[in-house]
Amino acid sequence: DAGVIQSPRHEVTEMGQEVTLRCKPISGHNSLFWYRQTMMRGLELLIYFNNNVPIDDSGMPEDRFSAKMPNASFSTLKIQPSEPRDSAVYFCASRTGAYGYTFGSGTRLTVV
Amino acid sequence: QQQVKQSPQSLIVQKGGISIINCAYENTAFDYFPWYQQFPGKGPALLIAIRPDVSEKKEGRFTISFNKSAKQFSLHIMDSQPGDSATYFCAVPKSGGSYIPTFGRGTSLIVHP
Repeated sequence: DAGVIQSPRHEVTEMGQEVTLRCKPISGHNSLFWYRQTMMRGLELLIYFNNNVPIDDSGMPEDRFSAKMPNASFSTLKIQPSEPRDSAVYFCASRTGAYGYTFGSGTRLTVV
Repeated sequence: QQQVKQSPQSLIVQKGGISIINCAYENTAFDYFPWYQQFPGKGPALLIAIRPDVSEKKEGRFTISFNKSAKQFSLHIMDSQPGDSATYFCAVPKSGGSYIPTFGRGTSLIVHP
């Protein structure tokens, strides 16, 4: 089991550019979550999917953020246009059943 | 909105000592209370979890103590080792139809050799 796979591991981009973060959940896990981690706000849930369907996107900070899950093995989080305050570590997590999450190793995003 | 208060924010202990991290919550409709461990450059990983039908759960050097009436639970790390140096998060579920946790702000633990 390769775990939850995120790419890229690091991303540095200029303000105004589009950024796409990618996630491959664990095979068989039917729920997928996108989190953002910052020193100021801790771990924040941005959006989650059940069976590829977005269930709650109330944590998405602005319309500049969007997420898709076109199939059970792939999800993207897109920021367009990016801003310096979007700099954070973005985690994808998946789970099957009711409780335990498995997190990926994260994407460290720096917007300059 | 679930409020989760985790303390302390940081903790330094000597090798062999006991590390204690606390978590207090407001309300929850679910009976599952986990602690996650995060090393630098990695995502949080489930460390240990408890169902409140018991007041304590032990796995090796890690113990969760749960006080349902006080709405608090704590993580005890016995015989702390330098390899335990990490950030620890408690998680408490939000109210709602499915289990979606709110994470505490984290405790940075440093264990000196």
